[in-house]
Amino acid sequence: GQQLNQSPQSMFIQEGEDVSMNCTSSSIFNTWLWYKQDPGEGPVLLIALYKAGELTSNGRLTAQFGITRKDSFLNISASIPSDVGIYFCAVTPGYALNFGKGTSLLVTP
Amino acid sequence: DGGITQSPKYLFRKEGQNVTLSCEQNLNHDAMYWYRQDPGQGLRLIYYSQIVNDFQKGDIAEGYSVSREKKESFPLTVTSAQKNPTAFYLCASSWGTGRNEQFFGPGTRLTVL
Repeated sequence: GQQLNQSPQSMFIQEGEDVSMNCTSSSIFNTWLWYKQDPGEGPVLLIALYKAGELTSNGRLTAQFGITRKDSFLNISASIPSDVGIYFCAVTPGYALNFGKGTSLLVTP
Repeated sequence: DGGITQSPKYLFRKEGQNVTLSCEQNLNHDAMYWYRQDPGQGLRLIYYSQIVNDFQKGDIAEGYSVSREKKESFPLTVTSAQKNPTAFYLCASSWGTGRNEQFFGPGTRLTVL
């Protein structure tokens, strides 16, 4: 599948800080999805983006679909301990999803 | 409650044995998928099915088999031909057309002893 590059690979922050992570590709995609995975559980869909330039919020989360359709970023504001987990971006070249390798987020109280 | 269930949560298998992982959904989704996740890695597609009685190989189908006899069910068999089967297996489903959001089950952790 198409390779997605997620960065950073991991983040270690204090509670209350804002977080930003991104995902890039060498190919154009028309849909970008962001998932969060808790340890030992399945990924949960956070935000779906369908339009280039689109900025979408879900509570403290904000994601944007890059205007070139080759990237996306996810911001988390005022982080809390339950934000801990792995965040994956995914694109849809066909029926299935291609996932990045994830950004691991650790939040200290 | 609508959702996707996978069973069992943990599974241990002796080398050389086949094992079947269950996946059931009551979301009325047409499409279902199986992914494999290894430590520190993203998800890799094993098989997917867009409709009952039809399925396609994903990127890493070797050593795996599936069936789709009912819309609600998409079991995955890990055969003895799979050389490195220890992994976390995730099942997902989606409407299959148009919007491609996939919804995941809780996963099955398979360990080969």
